Amino acid sequence: EVQLVESGGGLVQPGGSLRLSCAASGLTFSSYWMHWVRQAPGKGLVWVARISTDGSRTSYADSVKGRFTISRDNAKNTLFLQMNSLRAEDTAVYYCARDLQSVVLPAAILDYWGQGALVTVSS
Amino acid sequence: DVVMTQTPLSLPVTPGDPASISCRSSQSLLHNNGYNYLDWYVQKPGQSPQLLIYLGSNRASGVPDRFSGSGSGTYFTLKISRVEAEDVGVYYCMQALQTPPLTFGGGTKVEIK
Repeated sequence: EVQLVESGGGLVQPGGSLRLSCAASGLTFSSYWMHWVRQAPGKGLVWVARISTDGSRTSYADSVKGRFTISRDNAKNTLFLQMNSLRAEDTAVYYCARDLQSVVLPAAILDYWGQGALVTVSS
Repeated sequence: DVVMTQTPLSLPVTPGDPASISCRSSQSLLHNNGYNYLDWYVQKPGQSPQLLIYLGSNRASGVPDRFSGSGSGTYFTLKISRVEAEDVGVYYCMQALQTPPLTFGGGTKVEIK
């Protein structure tokens, strides 16, 4: 059974940093692109970042570019999101998600999601 | 960025009745490979989002056949043939053609009357 478990959320002051982790099990982690998607309280889903299977290619939403860094450790089956210069508007539940994209399925398809990690940016 | 617009915002339904959600994109999502790069997700109360439909019309594993996706280009529809109580939640469409970024619709809240 595929499981994605986020950790590392919490309360941080504006301007501070936080590192989220997403531990993956039940899948060949190194074979899948991975994403971070966030959801502010009472709001909809917003894509944050994605990373290729080997970590060589990354993309970011404009709202986090230059402040957030997505990375992965395939040996440890773990995805990361380093968040710096945090702002109040970054307050959200952050989900990691597996991308089913392949040669056969050529589009981003987020088929497994973690339970989410709450990040609160407040003084 | 591609803007995704969902209607309605809220959809009260009676169990056993059909339901329909629309999703419109600001640009065509039809790739030259013939696929529409449009997925549907549902977020049930207190849960993480889950995949319902991918590439416009393909049901994800384990999704009941009362759910169907249709449409092409810029206009898509998610239909529930007979709503059940367990179908309550917020439904989102998402485009995956013009990326980055992936963009989601604002969501449609399905609730029981």
